[in-house]
Amino acid sequence: EDQVTQSPEALRLQEGESSSLNCSYTVSGLRGLFWYRQDPGKGPEFLFTLYSAGEEKEKERLKATLTKKESFLHITAPKPEDSATYLCAVQSYGGSQGNLIFGKGTKLSVKP
Amino acid sequence: DTEVTQTPKHLVMGMTNKKSLKCEQHMGHRAMYWYKQKAKKPPELMFVYSYEKLSINESVPSRFSPECPNSSLLNLHLHALQPEDSALYLCASSQDPPDSEIFGSGTRLTVV
Repeated sequence: EDQVTQSPEALRLQEGESSSLNCSYTVSGLRGLFWYRQDPGKGPEFLFTLYSAGEEKEKERLKATLTKKESFLHITAPKPEDSATYLCAVQSYGGSQGNLIFGKGTKLSVKP
Repeated sequence: DTEVTQTPKHLVMGMTNKKSLKCEQHMGHRAMYWYKQKAKKPPELMFVYSYEKLSINESVPSRFSPECPNSSLLNLHLHALQPEDSALYLCASSQDPPDSEIFGSGTRLTVV
């Protein structure tokens, strides 16, 4: 069964304190791994898609990496405006078209 | 235009009401999705339309009825809902799986 596990559930950082969020996945064949940011009461905002092990993507203070078993979202020198829930999702070759399997998310709080 | 637009943003309805949620995108995406999200949970897939045809119905109760009038529009018709159907309803679109899904801001639905 395809599965996505994110850790930690919640993360509190001081402004400028770099850290990483983890997304472990088990799929029958990875078509793509997706990172989203979600603010309270809003829809998920697309951040990155990763397709194969070794791939890296960067956007401002965020960098996403992918191995055969997990993905990391590295946050460098975070600011309070980076506070949000970060969702990881995978799509597998064994799944139905458009069927994203989401993890439960990591709630990030960055204090000034 | 790189957005998915959902209306209304908030909706309060009684259990005997009939209402509709609307979703629109002008990115030329050929796949459109409805998700349901409860508080502190990840989005759950409800329906997928691909090239204006329903391709996935994730065992959703018949009180939810999707409609795709054309490639840019997606509706979700609601009838005889229950209080437990109160949630954030998200629409998303994508060019083609496994391309990234772009989400709208959602409709916050409250059933009283």
